[in-house]
Amino acid sequence: GAGVSQSPSNKVTEKGKDVELRCDPISGHTALYWYRQSLGQGLEFLIYFQGNSAPDKSGLPSDRFSAERTGGSVSTLTIQRTQQEDSAVYLCASSPGGLGEKLFFGSGTQLSVL
Amino acid sequence: GDSVTQMEGPVTLSEEAFLTINCTYTATGYPSLFWYVQYPGEGLQLLLKATKADDKGSNKGFEATYRKETTSFHLEKGSVQVSDSAVYFCALRGNAGKSTFGDGTTLTVKP
Repeated sequence: GAGVSQSPSNKVTEKGKDVELRCDPISGHTALYWYRQSLGQGLEFLIYFQGNSAPDKSGLPSDRFSAERTGGSVSTLTIQRTQQEDSAVYLCASSPGGLGEKLFFGSGTQLSVL
Repeated sequence: GDSVTQMEGPVTLSEEAFLTINCTYTATGYPSLFWYVQYPGEGLQLLLKATKADDKGSNKGFEATYRKETTSFHLEKGSVQVSDSAVYFCALRGNAGKSTFGDGTTLTVKP
């Protein structure tokens, strides 16, 4: 497809389990972002990848959260030992590298931790 | 680090009213500024942008001017419609390429 693809669209898990969320960015986009949006809240920055540079991990809320981007394309966000407060919509976005370029957002993964 | 502060919501207006949603930012250097919109049940999409001081972005009757002297990028529309009901996010893209968003403002337009 032509857009940013995220999977799964919905994930229900039990507290303490690990989850992996996947993002397929638009081909050729060098920048990739993960954000978290809780119900009625704004976008919380999690992590930013730009080309081959070291990622900006400053938004990851705890060491239970990690992300990788393989081959400069697909990215996986992993949450270990999930907690109820991790329940949110996790959004991925990609962009060409230029500073004036807009972000293209995926539809998100709705994570529910029971 | 970079930050974006936007007007708290929710905002409720009658159709054809004038809209202003305030947005101010803190950033080093010369960021690009954006307004994104999230319509009910849809994903985030770009509404308009401005990449340098005094630029005006415009789309669908919405406008915002990049004011470096006041570090602001306020969103305005002269006559809102019911279909404008959505959540609006102000954002900046800083020198390192990282994009920072405000908390969003929910707009409801009543007929």
